[in-house]
Amino acid sequence: DIQLTQSPSFLSASVGDRVTITCRASQGISSYLAWYQQKPGKAPKLLIYAASTLQSGVPSRFSGSGSETEFTLTISSLQPEDFATYYCQQLSSYPYTFGQGTKLEIK
Amino acid sequence: EVQVVESGGGLVQPGGSLRLSCAASGFTVSSNDMSWVRRAPGKGLEWVSVIYSGDYKYYADSVKGRFTISRDNSKNTLYLQMNSLKTEDTAVYYCAREVVASGGRWFDPWGQGTLVIVSS
Repeated sequence: DIQLTQSPSFLSASVGDRVTITCRASQGISSYLAWYQQKPGKAPKLLIYAASTLQSGVPSRFSGSGSETEFTLTISSLQPEDFATYYCQQLSSYPYTFGQGTKLEIK
Repeated sequence: EVQVVESGGGLVQPGGSLRLSCAASGFTVSSNDMSWVRRAPGKGLEWVSVIYSGDYKYYADSVKGRFTISRDNSKNTLYLQMNSLKTEDTAVYYCAREVVASGGRWFDPWGQGTLVIVSS
């Protein structure tokens, strides 16, 4: 199985900050990586697919990059509504695995 | 509107059974690969099972032999039959469609989830 390691697990930041979350795969997955945002009691929301393609309707302050084993999600200027938990997911091969999540909290 | 709505969760004793449903609208379940994903309390997301459009099925090791994924094309609905439930199966269960396009793959839409509690 392909393991995904997300870092950091917790991140405390302020509105307006630039933050970066890293996702490392245990083996190459090309660009078959997606990023999701999840708020308490809500369904996960797709932000980025194919490692760097912004889903329609997602604000441009979100961006993704990387390929094979190293990926990043960047939020260029945090807004109050961005405080949530973020997950990466590999869709290269089953079982499709998720990173353990990064909880983004208000400082 | 493309959406999925899960139902069927509840409280069940260890060793018991439960069947979850996922009703889809705006797309055809049988023409898409459909997955179940769960999130246990205090934990992250865990992929559980997939049924391909071609009817092939695949399971996470943690549920293999206990859970069965299926669909009813006439009702455009996905199911997860869960038997021999364990306390560690306690989670919110989501269904999601896999989209393959534009050189990528992703899950969308997701439902709001249905809560399964396995406890005596």
